[in-house]
Amino acid sequence: EAGVTQFPSHSVIEKGQTVTLRCDPISGHDNLYWYRRVMGKEIKFLLHFVKESKQDESGMPNNRFLAERTGGTYSTLKVQPAELEDSGVYFCASNRGSNTEAFFGQGTRLTVV
Amino acid sequence: QKEVEQDPGPLSVPEGAIVSLNCTYSNSAFQYFMWYRQYSRKGPELLMYTYSSGNKEDGRFTAQVDKSSKYISLFIRDSQPSDSATYLCAPASGGSYIPTFGRGTSLIVHP
Repeated sequence: EAGVTQFPSHSVIEKGQTVTLRCDPISGHDNLYWYRRVMGKEIKFLLHFVKESKQDESGMPNNRFLAERTGGTYSTLKVQPAELEDSGVYFCASNRGSNTEAFFGQGTRLTVV
Repeated sequence: QKEVEQDPGPLSVPEGAIVSLNCTYSNSAFQYFMWYRQYSRKGPELLMYTYSSGNKEDGRFTAQVDKSSKYISLFIRDSQPSDSATYLCAPASGGSYIPTFGRGTSLIVHP
């Protein structure tokens, strides 16, 4: 069974540009989560999808971030326009039920220059 | 005050040593206590999971939770070089089950 996969693994963009990160959860997992780790800080929760619906987006930093999960399968996280402080590693995780083990992807390392 | 405090280390020990990793938390609503292990350039993977106070053992690993003092520990017996990784303390409340991560402790086990 394939794990959670994230694309790209690394992205370097200039300030002001747009970047879209993608997450493919494990097949059959209704719950999908986005997290971010800024250098030297903790991994922080961004938002939680149940199928295609946003269950909790309390961790989204501002309106430059837009997450979608059309059809309840893969999810995208768009940052537009990117700022320097958006640099970090973005993780995606999924699980079948919200109280079951969540499996993480390898992360996308975003560098904004 | 951060919700979850964890010493980032690094903690360097010789192979075979007993390792003690700790963290403290401030949110009384936390009921589930998880430890994740993260290797370099990889995502976190769930290592141990306990509910409420008490001990849980799994092979060489023992997780310990003391809710009265809001203190969480992970012990590794007979540590191996393959245990070298970052260990993330991550409690969660019963309502959301979404973990609140500590900064992680970097562990280095040298042969």
